[in-house]
Amino acid sequence: GAVVSQHPSWVICKSGTSVKIECRSLDFQATTMFWYRQFPKQSLMLMATSNEGSKATYEQGVEKDKFLINHASLTLSTLTVTSAHPEDSSFYICSARRGGAHEQYFGPGTRLTVT
Amino acid sequence: AQKITQTQPGMFVQEKEAVTLDCTYDTSDQSYGLFWYKQPSSGEMIFLIYQGSYDEQNATEGRYSLNFQKARKSANLVISASQLGDSAMYFCAMREGGNDYKLSFGAGTTVTVRA
Repeated sequence: GAVVSQHPSWVICKSGTSVKIECRSLDFQATTMFWYRQFPKQSLMLMATSNEGSKATYEQGVEKDKFLINHASLTLSTLTVTSAHPEDSSFYICSARRGGAHEQYFGPGTRLTVT
Repeated sequence: AQKITQTQPGMFVQEKEAVTLDCTYDTSDQSYGLFWYKQPSSGEMIFLIYQGSYDEQNATEGRYSLNFQKARKSANLVISASQLGDSAMYFCAMREGGNDYKLSFGAGTTVTVRA
């Protein structure tokens, strides 16, 4: 199967600091990676789509200067939450799609708590 | 407008029985894909099944089958012979043609399997 990892699985940070979350496709090359945000008992909200070597495409309402996405290689994408505030506390999930495949494979998620 | 509608917030099912989760979708595209994902309490999104809009046969994957009714724009998931490990949140999602493989998710249905 296709395995996607995320690191860290949970992080607590102070308000005003930045946090980086890594998403890796372990056994396949990901043509496209996606970043989602999920609040408790709610659905997934797509934040941005990233293709290797190009700028991420952000969904409407998502601040690109706050949520920096870098897709440095076909197996790694990073999401940096800059100047985090308590309202940024959430569950962040990445997914990856390999070329020719329909489905996206999801990472285990990162729970961010900003104090 | 909501692209994916899941009208059942929560369902209870007896172990070994079958359960049907409803999903209706809205799109004007001719080419699209429908997905079901499972999210246990651990948070990871697990891909279950995929149905393409041009697929004539209903998709099946083990105990999961997708009841695809194109004219009604519905893509219900049937889980047969429920097991305790099936207790989770289930999301229906859609990918529309030519949109960089972005997924739109429904609100989800929580399934609780009773022994």
